[in-house]
Amino acid sequence: GESVGLHLPTLSVQEGDNSIINCAYSNSASDYFIWYKQESGKGPQFIIDIRSNMDKRQGQRVTVLLNKTVKHLSLQIAATQPGDSAVYFCAERGAGNMLTFGGGTRLMVKP
Amino acid sequence: EAGVAQSPRYKIIEKRQSVAFWCNPISGHATLYWYQQILGQGPKLLIQFQNNGVVDDSQLPKDRFSAERLKGVDSTLKIQPAKLEDSAVYLCASSLGTAVNTQYFGPGTRLTVL
Repeated sequence: GESVGLHLPTLSVQEGDNSIINCAYSNSASDYFIWYKQESGKGPQFIIDIRSNMDKRQGQRVTVLLNKTVKHLSLQIAATQPGDSAVYFCAERGAGNMLTFGGGTRLMVKP
Repeated sequence: EAGVAQSPRYKIIEKRQSVAFWCNPISGHATLYWYQQILGQGPKLLIQFQNNGVVDDSQLPKDRFSAERLKGVDSTLKIQPAKLEDSAVYLCASSLGTAVNTQYFGPGTRLTVL
């Protein structure tokens, strides 16, 4: 399938290492943030979300950190696997459940 | 549970032609979204429906784009006439409602305008 991000920032990690993907958001009034994973030729897939009244939320192998002071969001993936290779987008929620997506980061996992 | 369905998956047309995309959301999802994703960028919302009504279409280029969801289930997005800069992946998503509900995306339709 086609690539979803030919000119995106790229993070290259070794299989088994931890990955950290960063995102800066723009609207200080956003109350909800989501990370999506997009594999080539597919639509974005929900990974994890966090409300603005939280600093950290953990899922299975993933952790999202929110720093509202500097409007920064990060996604940490533990023990990165080849199947984690994809483009990752953060999104912030506005009124009416409308999402504004960031520019995306391509994660490449080397076996 | 079946996901969001979209068709066609790929479409190639010449500029000034018209094209239509179809979306069938997840059963029971009242809210439907159309996004445009230009290569190398994140998805950009074009229009949001709640049942068969438009919630927001502020980023829809209304001189050439139109969308409808007549019966509150399936939706079509049309471009007429297409321009070269319309080349993109058109993604449909749905959610239970407009509260904090996860949006589930379809596979998208890749449009190439020559």
